[in-house]
Amino acid sequence: ILNVEQSPQSLHVQEGDSTNFTCSFPSSNFYALHWYRWETAKSPEALFVMTLNGDEKKKGRISATLNTKEGYSYLYIKGSQPEDSATYLCASPDNDMRFGAGTRLTVKP
Amino acid sequence: GAVVSQHPSWVICKSGTSVKIECRSLDFQATTMFWYRQFPKQSLMLMATSNEGSKATYEQGVEKDKFLINHASLTLSTLTVTSAHPEDSSFYICSARLTGTGAPWGQETQYFGPGTRLLVL
Repeated sequence: ILNVEQSPQSLHVQEGDSTNFTCSFPSSNFYALHWYRWETAKSPEALFVMTLNGDEKKKGRISATLNTKEGYSYLYIKGSQPEDSATYLCASPDNDMRFGAGTRLTVKP
Repeated sequence: GAVVSQHPSWVICKSGTSVKIECRSLDFQATTMFWYRQFPKQSLMLMATSNEGSKATYEQGVEKDKFLINHASLTLSTLTVTSAHPEDSSFYICSARLTGTGAPWGQETQYFGPGTRLLVL
């Protein structure tokens, strides 16, 4: 993998559902993996900075895992709420910060 | 937390005019700021790294004479799109790196502005 890739591109879930999405990144020359949450008309907000293989981080109902050997990270949201609706970006620095295109999550009430 | 503002939030201009976008770190000093561009349904693409008191570093394929960057103070970087054309219409967003945390390179959090949507007619 040469670029940072995210899947799916978009996701629609019902309130209360748990969901997860994927970020794939180059596993060579790994420095860190960043997750951001970007609500419409607002600034992207940093969620997690992950550095170690096997890392798992949690903030409220949102958690993330990291596998640096195979080059992927999962973001999980437990019991999705409408306020979780946003685009979730991941990024991994190489010579510069390389971003995925994001996963756009819509949580329906 | 660290807040970055960006102004204007949107701008419509005629082809051939120049547009200046400001990026300010409101409650911290940023020696390094970044300018990104995003086309619909695509990733944020780094255009240039703006360093206070020195010339910006541009990514390959980004015309430095077209996209002028000035980082004259520790809290302000500006991006000027000169002689804008319709193909320059895009979403431009800046970020500032919070330095001095002791975090290794690549692990420092970037704080983003809300972005500027530019439409060139």
